[in-house]
Amino acid sequence: DTAVSQTPKYLVTQMGNDKSIKCEQNLGHDTMYWYKQDSKKFLKIMFSYNNKELIINETVPNRFSPKSPDKAHLNLHINSLELGDSAVYFCASSPYSGTQAYNEQFFGPGTRLTVL
Amino acid sequence: AQSVTQLGSHVSVSEGALVLLRCNYSSSVPPYLFWYVQYPNQGLQLLLKYTTGATLVKGINGFEAEFKKSETSFHLTKPSAHMSDAAEYFCAVILMNTGFQKLVFGTGTRLLVSP
Repeated sequence: DTAVSQTPKYLVTQMGNDKSIKCEQNLGHDTMYWYKQDSKKFLKIMFSYNNKELIINETVPNRFSPKSPDKAHLNLHINSLELGDSAVYFCASSPYSGTQAYNEQFFGPGTRLTVL
Repeated sequence: AQSVTQLGSHVSVSEGALVLLRCNYSSSVPPYLFWYVQYPNQGLQLLLKYTTGATLVKGINGFEAEFKKSETSFHLTKPSAHMSDAAEYFCAVILMNTGFQKLVFGTGTRLLVSP
């Protein structure tokens, strides 16, 4: 009955490879997010989707491409992995916010990506 | 632009002592403020939030925070630390982005609790 789940939990790969991280939420939320947490624990939003539509796209290299096949899933594909991509990636979801009052974001357990 | 600053990357307390984690915000409009906790190897969990209304906000696990507009602060406190409180704590503020909201996090404070 996990609310926000991510797979895999750990991902170790070589530079130059392409990899994907999957996220699923069973909360019925409309909005989903990807965050990156670096080695110093700094958390920054990367992307946000609302009902399968991209609404937030921060300054992220084009090698990162999110895909939302439906509003319960938001996957992150990374091409040509680099050493600097090593981080923990968190998925989150919330009810639709838009310009309305804030709705709590629920976070997944994270995926620790290590690029060698 | 809205942002938050957390003073002290590490805070150490003894079990039973007062916990005080500091957060200051900068915002041109009344902010929405949050504290999240991250236990080792886990995701983030919302501790408490301030949106409008009462400035003293109570959260889970005995934590509370007070919104002080005059000091632009939202410090997190707990009267008596427990070993299980050892974790990373993040203050965050809402930033409006082209009509959609996004969370902007502080750099985090690691709380260490000793017996």
